[in-house]
Amino acid sequence: DQQVKQNSPSLSVQEGRISILNCDYTNSMFDYFLWYKKYPAEGPTFLISISSIKDKNEDGRFTVFLNKSAKHLSLHIVPSQPGDSAVYFCAASNGGGADGLTFGKGTHLIIQP
Amino acid sequence: DAGVTQSPTHLIKTRGQQVTLRCSPKSGHDTVSWYQQALGQGPQFIFQYYEEEERQRGNFPDRFSGHQFPNYSSELNVNALLLGDSALYLCASVGGSSYNEQFFGPGTRLTVL
Repeated sequence: DQQVKQNSPSLSVQEGRISILNCDYTNSMFDYFLWYKKYPAEGPTFLISISSIKDKNEDGRFTVFLNKSAKHLSLHIVPSQPGDSAVYFCAASNGGGADGLTFGKGTHLIIQP
Repeated sequence: DAGVTQSPTHLIKTRGQQVTLRCSPKSGHDTVSWYQQALGQGPQFIFQYYEEEERQRGNFPDRFSGHQFPNYSSELNVNALLLGDSALYLCASVGGSSYNEQFFGPGTRLTVL
């Protein structure tokens, strides 16, 4: 049973437009959520995180929104750039970002020129 | 400043054999986690080591064991290999000022024939 779900295996967005990646979770005990980005032949790289006491966190072009009642979070990238093309993983934990993380299957974001 | 390093890069074993994978954490980090990423899936948490003790464990059988050394480096051992153990094994470290962000290594690709 998948506790973190990313229902879109891939997403294509034009350069300069907004990319929106979605993630749903089922475990109510999760209180910390993270987004990781992965290029081929590299390990995942931390992008941005949000605690369950917040509903929004922003870092430059990246914003994460959390809707606890819907058990849903999303990552917005504005504006999208060619270097953003990668696989994006949503992850969650019930003890902060240092604990064992539960990952989704990932969404492959492709930025079209 | 070296990031998380893992060795070897690739490994081929046959069913029933045993394997040891190695990880050196990022400088200043004292906590190491191991993840298994099967093809088309997100990383799955195996276990975490802190102060040379297993601190957390995911849903993996006892065939998966680990060790952490006084210099914080870590090993992942898998006994009685199965075909289904073929995957990318990722090591992540955390600690110091980045207590909420896990840094991942590039992984070891294990193929079981």
